[in-house]
Amino acid sequence: ILNVEQSPQSLHVQEGDSTNFTCSFPSSNFYALHWYRWETAKSPEALFVMTLNGDEKKKGRISATLNTKEGYSYLYIKGSQPEDSATYLCASEDQAGTALIFGKGTTLSVSS
Amino acid sequence: KAGVTQTPRYLIKTRGQQVTLSCSPISGHRSVSWYQQTPGQGLQFLFEYFSETQRNKGNFPGRFSGRQFSNSRSEMNVSTLELGDSALYLCASRKDGGTDTQYFGPGTRLTVL
Repeated sequence: ILNVEQSPQSLHVQEGDSTNFTCSFPSSNFYALHWYRWETAKSPEALFVMTLNGDEKKKGRISATLNTKEGYSYLYIKGSQPEDSATYLCASEDQAGTALIFGKGTTLSVSS
Repeated sequence: KAGVTQTPRYLIKTRGQQVTLSCSPISGHRSVSWYQQTPGQGLQFLFEYFSETQRNKGNFPGRFSGRQFSNSRSEMNVSTLELGDSALYLCASRKDGGTDTQYFGPGTRLTVL
């Protein structure tokens, strides 16, 4: 079973701040890395699926990078807004057809 | 396109009982995965079904079982419920695997008294 770690566990920022958090995963047998946003009382929402070393994905003010050689991914939020408050989850899979194994998430709180 | 649906949304049971949860995936998705979410533990993978076969299994006791039907709908069963089984159970579907995006349902909140 993969061990996926996320840091920090929680984060509180002011509106307008930019922030980033980390997802670490085993670099051996890497296949894909998924990022999700999970708002309270809603379903987890898929943000990105990343596979290639050096890959960078962007969706509005949110972007993510991937380093498969060292086993980490960063998620960046530029100019945080209160609506960005959520738990951000990453999940790794080590080959096609295996399960997504999730980290425990980073809970972001943005104050106006 | 309809999303992933789960029934029931809330359930209260007592210790020793059994429970069955249902998940209907997005049309065309053949893979259905189940997760348990408890405070402080994050999303714990239970099992995944693909084309009616269990493809992957997490580290849960045999009291947790599942199945998938020919229309890709899936059920999860928990027998001999324990207090620690109280959790949010999420199912998620995707077309196949690999780099396909996995979409989550709203979850079933199970409370065991």
